[in-house]
Amino acid sequence: AQSVSQHNHHVILSEAASLELGCNYSYGGTVNLFWYVQYPGQHLQLLLKYFSGDPLVKGIKGFEAEFIKSKFSFNLRKPSVQWSDTAEYFCALKPNFGNEKLTFGTGTRL
Amino acid sequence: DTGVSQDPRHKITKRGQNVTFRCDPISEHNRLYWYRQTLGQGPEFLTYFQNEAQLEKSRLLSDRFSAERPKGSFSTLEIQRTEQGDSAMYLCASSLVGGWRNEEKNTQYFGPGTRLTVL
Repeated sequence: AQSVSQHNHHVILSEAASLELGCNYSYGGTVNLFWYVQYPGQHLQLLLKYFSGDPLVKGIKGFEAEFIKSKFSFNLRKPSVQWSDTAEYFCALKPNFGNEKLTFGTGTRL
Repeated sequence: DTGVSQDPRHKITKRGQNVTFRCDPISEHNRLYWYRQTLGQGPEFLTYFQNEAQLEKSRLLSDRFSAERPKGSFSTLEIQRTEQGDSAMYLCASSLVGGWRNEEKNTQYFGPGTRLTVL
């Protein structure tokens, strides 16, 4: 079975502060990893994704995430947050083979 | 490409009534997914279609739930004899079929959701 954990349920930051949201997953095989963002009143939007290759991936709006296989982690980072980054952030996993569903974490409200 | 659309955006119903939601995927996306999201949780997978074939159903999808995608384009999700526990946001997503290395074809794009409230 696959699972995703987001330990920070609610994060409060001042503008210009640096952001790091944790995401850990559990799955025995190779995975695709995603961060989705949901701005107030809007639908889930893809922020960035990791499939293979360079473990540091860059997404929209200055966000990046690093896949650390040994730690089963895919943390989201941004050097300097803005008020417009207020949103809920979801980490999600999809196995490379045999399973097409996304498994989401419970989300982090920023 | 206008994105995934869902209708209605909000539905309020009384317990015991039947409801039906519609999802229109991104044009030419041959995979379509349904998820359910309750307050404070991430979306949970319900079912997905490849073209008109329903290929996987979650155990969350009780006998009161049925989904169809008759012509491989739009899909409907019906809930019969609604219960208060069915209150949630029902999300639809779509993607293309592709090999496991194909990033774009393995990325799901979500619609705005239908918020169901069962009184």
